[in-house]
Amino acid sequence: DQQVKQNSPSLSVQEGRISILNCDYTNSMFDYFLWYKKYPAEGPTFLISISSIKDKNEDGRFTVFLNKSAKHLSLHIVPSQPGDSAVYFCAAKPGNDMRFGAGTRLTVKP
Amino acid sequence: NAGVTQTPKFRILKIGQSMTLQCAQDMNHNYMYWYRQDPGMGLKLIYYSVGAGITDKGEVPNGYNVSRSTTEDFPLRLELAAPSQTSVYFCASSSPGHNEQFFGPGTRLTVL
Repeated sequence: DQQVKQNSPSLSVQEGRISILNCDYTNSMFDYFLWYKKYPAEGPTFLISISSIKDKNEDGRFTVFLNKSAKHLSLHIVPSQPGDSAVYFCAAKPGNDMRFGAGTRLTVKP
Repeated sequence: NAGVTQTPKFRILKIGQSMTLQCAQDMNHNYMYWYRQDPGMGLKLIYYSVGAGITDKGEVPNGYNVSRSTTEDFPLRLELAAPSQTSVYFCASSSPGHNEQFFGPGTRLTVL
């Protein structure tokens, strides 16, 4: 039962353009959402998060949007840089538990 | 600060063998977690701990055991290794009231 879904396994964008990564969830008990970035042979690193009481959170080039009625969130990266190339995981929390999506591999081409 | 450290980095086990994956953190975090990541899948929570002496099951606890005798260490024990336990294992830690978790570099385990 996959409660957090990232339906696009991969995404390729040109340097300087916007990257949009999407995530859907099914459990309405989730109250906090996070995005993690992962490079090969490393653990995931925290990128940005959003509480269920907000619909937008921004940190530099990264913005996360939450649409609770659609149970959908997205991560926008503007402008995209080659160093952003990595696997991005969406995660959602009900309490101490955390559920992850399968990840989207982002490639930013110079 | 070293953050979250995991040993070993790689290990190959035979079916039925046992081993302990080590995890330590030096950030004085109360909460610690063990995840596994299978190819093409997201991370799944195996066990977590909210403090020394307290552990609880996550989404996929079968075949694993944990203990938490100190704040710093959270070892994961596999008693009878099975091929289905071939995976990459990540340990993480966090502070109470903070939602983001800090991850170690992972242990790649193969059971043949």
